[in-house]
Amino acid sequence: SAVISQKPSRDICQRGTSLTIQCQVDSQVTMMFWYRQQPGQSLTLIATANQGSEATYESGFVIDKFPISRPNLTFSTLTVSNMSPEDSSIYLCSVASLTGSGNTIYFGEGSWLTVV
Amino acid sequence: EDQVTQSPEALRLQEGESSSLNCSYTVSGLRGLFWYRQDPGKGPEFLFTLYSAGEEKEKERLKATLTKKESFLHITAPKPEDSATYLCAVQAYSGYALNFGKGTSLLVTP
Repeated sequence: SAVISQKPSRDICQRGTSLTIQCQVDSQVTMMFWYRQQPGQSLTLIATANQGSEATYESGFVIDKFPISRPNLTFSTLTVSNMSPEDSSIYLCSVASLTGSGNTIYFGEGSWLTVV
Repeated sequence: EDQVTQSPEALRLQEGESSSLNCSYTVSGLRGLFWYRQDPGKGPEFLFTLYSAGEEKEKERLKATLTKKESFLHITAPKPEDSATYLCAVQAYSGYALNFGKGTSLLVTP
């Protein structure tokens, strides 16, 4: 299994500021993803983080608002830019672990952001 | 478009009272169907991946089954520590990202 560490785990942010979330995995993984979970809601995919190239964003999410970096196979960052109270959510890093018998998707503990 | 619908939204059980959670899905080619447990303020904890109709997997008091249209998570003789939100998600052949249902919030009382 993959162990995923996210920082920060929790933060309170001022409106209009930006915050970068870090995701570190304990092994090399091919695929990394970023999800958002708004209060009381389920998980929504923001983007797939591609190593060495631009992230692939889902409909409704744009690079200017959620820039993503992935410099290597174990690390990625998600920035939430120009935050508003609507950005208050849990942001989750996820990785795909592929084996000969199938695949497992693991999640970090999440970064809980509150925008005031 | 892929869709995942979970029912019921919330379920309250007495300790020892077995029940099932439902996950209905439509997907353009199923690569895998995933079940997770999520405790408040934490990330989803992986439980099972099912790949084809007829497949079953078990873990302690949990058993997951899969048909071509739905999956069930059976909870046998639940304990209060099984209280959590259970999430179902599908993965299509087109990629590895997951499309989640809204979850079932389970409360098991002593």
